[in-house]
Parts: sequence; C-alpha cells; structure tokens
Amino acid sequence: ETGVTQTPRHLVMGMTNKKSLKCEQHLGHNAMYWYKQSAKKPLELMFVYSLEERVENNSVPSRFSPECPNSSHLFLHLHTLQPEDSALYLCASSQDGRAAYNEQFFGPGTRLTVL
Amino acid sequence: AQKITQTQPGMFVQEKEAVTLDCTYDTSDPSYGLFWYKQPSSGEMIFLIYQGSYDQQNATEGRYSLNFQKARKSANLVISASQLGDSAMYFCAMSPYNTDKLIFGTGTRLQVFP
Repeated sequence: ETGVTQTPRHLVMGMTNKKSLKCEQHLGHNAMYWYKQSAKKPLELMFVYSLEERVENNSVPSRFSPECPNSSHLFLHLHTLQPEDSALYLCASSQDGRAAYNEQFFGPGTRLTVL
Repeated sequence: AQKITQTQPGMFVQEKEAVTLDCTYDTSDPSYGLFWYKQPSSGEMIFLIYQGSYDQQNATEGRYSLNFQKARKSANLVISASQLGDSAMYFCAMSPYNTDKLIFGTGTRLQVFP
C-alpha cells in the first residue's frame, strides 16, 4: 500500500449505530487530519493530530470521537449520528502540523450516509 | 476572518487550450501559504501547486502555474494545454503560517471537452 488509505469507502448507518472510520498513511508523516466535505460547502477541518497528540478540535460535536494510536493510523469513531452528518469524510497526512509549509496528502475518503 | 473565495462554480475549456481558475483570499496574517488541489470523481484530493506569501516568483509545476498577485490577494491557477483528464473539481486553499489549519474554498468544477 502506498499513500493514504481509508476504509470503508462507503458506509450506511442508522442513527443509533456505532461505527468507525479508519485511515492509514504509509508516508512516514507526523501529522494527520480529518475533514468533512458536504455538498456545496468548503472542506471543514475536524481534527488535527501532530505526533499523535490532538492539536485541533474544530468545534466538532461529541458524537465524533477521533483516536490516533500511532503516527500511521487515525480513526474516527461515530455514534448516534444525525442525517446532516452524511458527507464525504477525508483523511489527510503531512510531514508535520505546520499546514502552511507542507502539502497534505489525502485519502480517497469514506462516503457516509446516515439514515 | 480568513476566507477563500472561488467565484466560478463551473468552467468549460476545450482540449489543448489554457484555462484560468480564479481564487481570492482574505487574511490579516502577513505570512501564509497558498495551495491548489484537484479532486477527481474518485474523491481523493490531489496536491497540485504551492505558493508561499514571501515567494518572489510565481510557482510552476509542469502544466500548472499560479498567478500570485499579493496586493490583490489573488492566487489564480493557470492550466496550460488542457487534457481530458483535467476534468475535476479544483480547490484553492490557504494556511496562515502560525496555524495548523488549511482553509478551503468552495471549488470550481472544470470540464474539458474534445
């Protein structure tokens, strides 16, 4: 595997379900990100991890819970979601957390539908 | 407030022609980085080009060039010799140097026709 991978690619869940999104980067990077992409809206930064420590929580509801067990893996745990949470969730990584200096490498995303 | 504006929701260009995608930004920070990303229908965002606010020359990467006009706060992407595979969404993004945030615009959908 190369680059940034995300699983699953598609997920349909009910509002009472609990699921997790997984992201893995094979680039040796030290920073990882979760973004939400909704139709006709700019990408919204959700969480930033740098050296496995969370450095940004962009006012995200608590029904989204990130986990970064090591510098290569990032999870987004989901529970009691709402239909408006349906979106494309993108994971990204970069060399370090200085966004202005480092391009971010993105995964293919998980298309989430909440029924 | 920091903001990226892309005023063109959609653009059409004929194959082999050049096209300019507009981007303006708003920030009070003196130092920042500017990025362009391409998002094909497959979903992943692909980094295209970067411009630092203190860079004197416009960035170029193959067929991509960034027309950086600091005083006007614009960072337009120019794609030369368009190809059918260039059809995608294009996003402009900015990050002030003192943050770990990358702020995106709403994107421009480019369609290249034969």
